[in-house]
Amino acid sequence: DAGVIQSPRHEVTEMGQEVTLRCKPISGHNSLFWYRQTMMRGLELLIYFNNNVPIDDSGMPEDRFSAKMPNASFSTLKIQPSEPRDSAVYFCASRNDRALYTGELFFGEGSRLTVL
Amino acid sequence: AQSVTQPDIHITVSEGASLELRCNYSYGATPYLFWYVQSPGQGLQLLLKYFSGDTLVQGIKGFEAEFKRSQSSFNLRKPSVHWSDAAEYFCALYLMDSNYQLIWGAGTKLIIKP
Repeated sequence: DAGVIQSPRHEVTEMGQEVTLRCKPISGHNSLFWYRQTMMRGLELLIYFNNNVPIDDSGMPEDRFSAKMPNASFSTLKIQPSEPRDSAVYFCASRNDRALYTGELFFGEGSRLTVL
Repeated sequence: AQSVTQPDIHITVSEGASLELRCNYSYGATPYLFWYVQSPGQGLQLLLKYFSGDTLVQGIKGFEAEFKRSQSSFNLRKPSVHWSDAAEYFCALYLMDSNYQLIWGAGTKLIIKP
């Protein structure tokens, strides 16, 4: 299996620009998670989808952030407009919730965002 | 409330020495626990997990962890570390009765001295 695929791996943009991060989960996994990791705040859950439906978006910082999962094989996280404090590594992870006693999240390699 | 505490932000050990990383949890029901490892520039990878049964759990890369209910702990151990073990280690509590959430510890960064 190819694993969770994220793009881009690195993004440098200027304040005010729109940023779109993309994720392809592992085929057959029915849950998808977006995390943000910074030195100051550690690993934060932004949003969690199950069967393409957002279940918990309480971690989304503010209206500038939005996430979609139009189908089982693709999700986006959009920041518009971006700000320097959004600089972080954004991880996508997927999980097969049909296998209840595994619970294992499979992470992508992350998208490192720098907002100047 | 549920929580996971990793008391050590950084730990430095010499190559070949033994390692123990601490993890304490707070949860009223049966805990399901994980250890993940994050190598520099990479995503997180599962090292091992505890669901039930034997309280000593074996994982990948020669790691093991022991679940101690009386101490609310799930400490990670390795008898002899290698330079390639330098990474950040995260303990997590899996809430099967609460939307299958994962509660993450803050992580412990392992530094290996040559």
